[in-house]
Amino acid sequence: QSALTQPASVSGSPGQSITISCSGTSSDVGRYNHVSWYQQHPGKAPKLIIYAVTKRPSGVSDRFSGSKSGNTASLTISGLQAEDEAAYYCGSWISNSIPYVFATGTQVTVL
Amino acid sequence: QLQLQESGPGLLKSSETLSLTCTVSGGSISSSNYYWGWIRQPPGEGLEWIGSASYSGTTYYSPSLRSRVTISADTSKNQFSLKMNSVTAADTAVYYCARYDPYHFDHWGQGTLVTVSS
Repeated sequence: QSALTQPASVSGSPGQSITISCSGTSSDVGRYNHVSWYQQHPGKAPKLIIYAVTKRPSGVSDRFSGSKSGNTASLTISGLQAEDEAAYYCGSWISNSIPYVFATGTQVTVL
Repeated sequence: QLQLQESGPGLLKSSETLSLTCTVSGGSISSSNYYWGWIRQPPGEGLEWIGSASYSGTTYYSPSLRSRVTISADTSKNQFSLKMNSVTAADTAVYYCARYDPYHFDHWGQGTLVTVSS
């Protein structure tokens, strides 16, 4: 069982904004800014789209943004496009005894 | 541009040892700034972190796999490897290698499917 929790699915219409949550605890997500987000299209390797809660790697669309409130981190996709239909995973360093963990992932569907 | 490529047998039998190699090009694994990790994904399921290692031999493993896994680096070949013993059908997955830039994986290989048959 993952230490991080995401909704199984989120959907939206083209042009809309959607938000995916990643819930942890006050000992991990709430304490450190280590949450990252990955996008995975079917049959492809995951791609880093957000790191350190809010930072975007070079080349990643600014329609992707990250934030955190309390023990929950969030990924927002603005101006939803058909190409955004994919699985999204949050991941984070948890502790020295659990150096890294991925959440179970959220399937985004563009209606 | 950093590239990672997994290689190794795609089919194993139960109880055998899984051995995969990740060849890194476009950069050196000897950088002290990074770790090198393995992640797997069973068919139709989510991502599972297996472990990470530095070029100098410092390792971190998932608690659930620690007893069966070894990750090591070969700086002379610019490669790092994964060994997992006593595999079962539950270890059937796509295995990815990736660079760990604390605290995220910023470059990934394309993945390699390993199937364990009984």
